[in-house]
This record gives sequence, structure tokens and C-alpha cells, in this order.
Amino acid sequence: AQSVTQLGSHVSVSEGALVLLRCNYSSSVPPYLFWYVQYPNQGLQLLLKYTTGATLVKGINGFEAEFNKSQTSFHLRKPSVHISDTAEYFCAVGDTVRRALTFGSGTRLQVQP
Amino acid sequence: GAGVSQTPSNKVTEKGKYVELRCDPISGHTALYWYRQSLGQGPEFLIYFQGTGAADDSGLPNDRFFAVRPEGSVSTLKIQRTERGDSAVYLCASSLQRDQPQHFGDGTRLSIL
Repeated sequence: AQSVTQLGSHVSVSEGALVLLRCNYSSSVPPYLFWYVQYPNQGLQLLLKYTTGATLVKGINGFEAEFNKSQTSFHLRKPSVHISDTAEYFCAVGDTVRRALTFGSGTRLQVQP
Repeated sequence: GAGVSQTPSNKVTEKGKYVELRCDPISGHTALYWYRQSLGQGPEFLIYFQGTGAADDSGLPNDRFFAVRPEGSVSTLKIQRTERGDSAVYLCASSLQRDQPQHFGDGTRLSIL
């Protein structure tokens, strides 16, 4: 069985600050890991994904995440956030056995001017 | 190009009624997924199609829920005898192949009165 835990349901930072959104996963087989962003009244947009290979993954809009197998983590970060990054962020895990994704409960990021 | 299209965007109906939600995936995408997102939660898997067949329907909550994809493209999620607890945003996603990232539609917001 798979599961995802996102620590911190709400995060508020100032524009230009570094932001770190935490994600820990559980999977009985090698995982695929994803971060999605959801703007109000919209579907989910893929930010980045990890399947195999390099553990530091770069995505769109300046976001990056690092896969850490020993800590079963896939934290998302951005060195300098913009007001337009205000949205909800979801971490998800999948694998080659079960095609469906298991999502965390999300972290709402609020970027203050 | 065109993304995943879901119709209607909003649906309000009375308890006990039957509803159909439609998903038009990205052209050429063989894999199609339905998820349900309750307020303040991450999406939860309902059913996955590979081509015309339901490869995994383990997420359907009960036998009131059913989905079809008769020609391997458009899919319809059907809910019989709706209950107030069925109120949620129903998201559809598609991917080019089984192991490719999923692309999401904007969802159908279903409200059961």
C-alpha cells in the first residue's frame, strides 16, 4: 500500500523568500513521485516528477525537489517565491504496479507582498 | 493543444437523482483516470481505464458508481441514487501511456442538495 504525508496544511511566506514544502511517502515498491499545483477552481498542473536517475529534479516555474530514499522524502522547494505562486500544492506517489496516484492532503501556500 | 475537457463544469442536483459526468481526454492518450476531491483534501482514486477496459476499479466507493469508456476515448462516470456525501469535485486525467505523467482536467463540481 502507498501513502503520502504532507507536513503543514498552510504555509505563509513573504515574496522573495525561500519556501520548502515537505512530503514523505510510503511505498512497498520503487516509487514514482510527483508534485502538482492547483490554482483556485482549476485542475492539477504537473510541476515535476521523479521516476529514476538523478535525485534532484527540476520542474517548471523555478521549483525543484529532491528524492531521498533513506528518509522516504520528496520535499519541494523554490529559492525565491512570487505572489503568483500562491496556490495549493499536492505531493503524489505512483508505481509500476498500481497506475493510479495516491495524493497527500495538500499544502496551501500563501505568498505575501 | 487541447487539454483534458470535462463537462459540465458544475452540476447541482437533488438527492436520489442520477448523474453523468463526461471526460474527453487528450487525443491519443490511452490511459484515463477518475479521481474525487472532497473539500480540503487531495484527490482520491476512483477508476483507471487502459483503452476501453477498466484496468483498476478498486477506488469506486460502492455499486452506485460506474464508469465506461466504450471507444477508448471519451469516458462517462455515472452515479445512481445520489447522496449528499457524493458532493465533491470529480477530476479526470489522461496519460499517453501507463507510466507517463497524468494530465488533469478542471473537474466537475457536483453538489447534491
